[in-house]
Amino acid sequence: QVQLQESGPGLVKPSETLSLNCAVSGYSISTGYYWGWIRQPPGKGLEWIGSIYHSGNTYYNPSLKSRVTISVDTSENRFSLKLTSVTAADTAVFYCARQNLGVGSEFDLWGRGTLVTVSS
Amino acid sequence: SYELTQPPSVSVSPGQTAIITCSGDKLGHKYAFWYQQKPGQSPVLLIYQDDIRPSGIPERFSGSNSGNTATLTISGTQAMDEADYYCQVWDSSTVVFGPGTKVTVL
Repeated sequence: QVQLQESGPGLVKPSETLSLNCAVSGYSISTGYYWGWIRQPPGKGLEWIGSIYHSGNTYYNPSLKSRVTISVDTSENRFSLKLTSVTAADTAVFYCARQNLGVGSEFDLWGRGTLVTVSS
Repeated sequence: SYELTQPPSVSVSPGQTAIITCSGDKLGHKYAFWYQQKPGQSPVLLIYQDDIRPSGIPERFSGSNSGNTATLTISGTQAMDEADYYCQVWDSSTVVFGPGTKVTVL
């Protein structure tokens, strides 16, 4: 079955860049779907960060766009997130998910999430 | 930017019906999606395109969307349905999530 797995450092220093990968298994990213990142600060709600297609087309949350880059590596069947100039407010569980941007825009499959703490 | 509003909490007795609303300007003109998130777990897609249940989602979950309000209904609520519920839309090439509703089964 299709699975998504986030990976990356669990601790990032303030002002540095947060980098995460999402490995996709059981499905080729090049086949279709968009692939997205969503975060959830501890005890708070979901916030969409951005989404990418295998062609490299991206959509970003306007509130984060200046600090976010999402890229895709079809040869490795994974996609990645970079968030620059992080602060404590960026501490969150980060999820990667598969997004159907055909008719709707729902995220039908999610990774288990990874907690990233921003602290010195 | 587009905003969605949800009640912070809803309480329901076992076996009764829980109704969770999601409000936004002309929301009925867009597709609404619903997710369930239990503590320590990833969100799970419950409803897509207003009222369609993905495979494996129990029939007690249903959705509707009209006017300015989308609604998630849980019929015959069970203890296992205690969770946070989020609505979501796609607006102006962005994903918007509602703030979430905590459903407590008393």
